Amino acid sequence: EAGVTQFPSHSVIEKGQTVTLRCDPISGHDNLYWYRRVMGKEIKFLLHFVKESKQDESGMPNNRFLAERTGGTYSTLKVQPAELEDSGVYFCASSQQPTGELFFGEGSRLTVL
Amino acid sequence: GENVEQHPSTLSVQEGDSAVIKCTYSDSASNYFPWYKQELGKRPQLIIDIRSNVGEKKDQRIAVTLNKTAKHFSLHITETQPEDSAVYFCAASKQVQGAQKLVFGQGTRLTINP
Repeated sequence: EAGVTQFPSHSVIEKGQTVTLRCDPISGHDNLYWYRRVMGKEIKFLLHFVKESKQDESGMPNNRFLAERTGGTYSTLKVQPAELEDSGVYFCASSQQPTGELFFGEGSRLTVL
Repeated sequence: GENVEQHPSTLSVQEGDSAVIKCTYSDSASNYFPWYKQELGKRPQLIIDIRSNVGEKKDQRIAVTLNKTAKHFSLHITETQPEDSAVYFCAASKQVQGAQKLVFGQGTRLTINP
């Protein structure tokens, strides 16, 4: 069974540019989460989808971040325009049940110069 | 909201010795406490978890203890091996709108010295 896959694994962009990160959850997992780890700190919750609906987006830092999950399959996280403090590793995770084990992807490392 | 503190940030032990990582949480309503291991360049993976109706759980060389009164929980690894070297994250959560929203600690980089 394929795990959670994320693309790209690493992205280097300049301040002010746009980046779109993609996450493919495990097939059949309705719950999809985005987390972020900045500069060796804790992994912080960004948002949670149930199928195509945003269940909880309380962790989204500001309106420069836009997450979508059209069709309830893969999800994208767009940062526009990117700022220096957006640098970090963005993790996607999925679970079959809302209270079940989270399966993480390997993360997308974003570097904003 | 919930706040999770994790200590130490780095830990170095000799192969065969034990390692202990400690976490405290602030929200007494938290009822689920997983531990994730992230090896270099790989994804975080769940290694053990505990729910608030249990005080201790063991899985081979790994054990987790929970003290609800003091609001802290710990990961114990015995007979450490080189493959235990990784970053370990604790987390705490409670059900919010029918889902578990994990709040993570800052991570502990564990190094096992041969």
